[in-house]
Amino acid sequence: QLQLQESGSGLVKPSQTLSLTCSVSGVSIDSGYFSWSWIRQPPEKGLEWIGYIYYNGTTFYNPSLKSRVTISVDRSKNQFSLKLTFVTATDTAVYYCVRGLSGSAVTTWGQGTLVRVSS
Amino acid sequence: QSVLTQPPSASGTPGQRGTMSCSGSSSNIGSNPVSWYQQFSGSAPKLLIYNNNQRPSGVPDRFSGSKSGTSASLAISGLQSEDEGDYYCAAWDDSLNGWVFGGGTKLTVL
Repeated sequence: QLQLQESGSGLVKPSQTLSLTCSVSGVSIDSGYFSWSWIRQPPEKGLEWIGYIYYNGTTFYNPSLKSRVTISVDRSKNQFSLKLTFVTATDTAVYYCVRGLSGSAVTTWGQGTLVRVSS
Repeated sequence: QSVLTQPPSASGTPGQRGTMSCSGSSSNIGSNPVSWYQQFSGSAPKLLIYNNNQRPSGVPDRFSGSKSGTSASLAISGLQSEDEGDYYCAAWDDSLNGWVFGGGTKLTVL
């Protein structure tokens, strides 16, 4: 059974870099068809797609965040990661790693991890 | 501000049929299937409907989805107190090459 688990720092200082990793179990990231994404949800607000990566390393990012985002994959560890640079308080959110079917739906969600940006 | 538009709240009494809407544009709902997600407080969203009207295994048939043009709707028949939560619509956006979401509808079962 597919499971996704986020890990990383829960507190980041303004202007620094947010780093999160998603550990995937139950299926190989190399299994194809699916994309591996990050989605975030600020407190009491809606969902925002950040970007995704395919098993071959191809990435797509939300234009609103593109200049600050990098998503990478480590196939040897069956993980994918998010880096968001120059964070501000508006980047405070619950960050979810998810598996999706491009053009269709987000099929599986991690439990999410809260990242606070504060000095 | 969310790309897809949802009413912020909806309510109904137990046993009633509840509906919520989702409005988008030609680059998202107008050209791609809609999905719906259910989220309870403190938990991650869960896929409820995909491809406009398909239910993943385990989702009760009380939940149904439909789409027409650039709008979609989610219906819940026989409302139950445990249906209280937030419901989000989403669709792939061809301009963005990624997912766009609605702002969510908070369902209250009175």
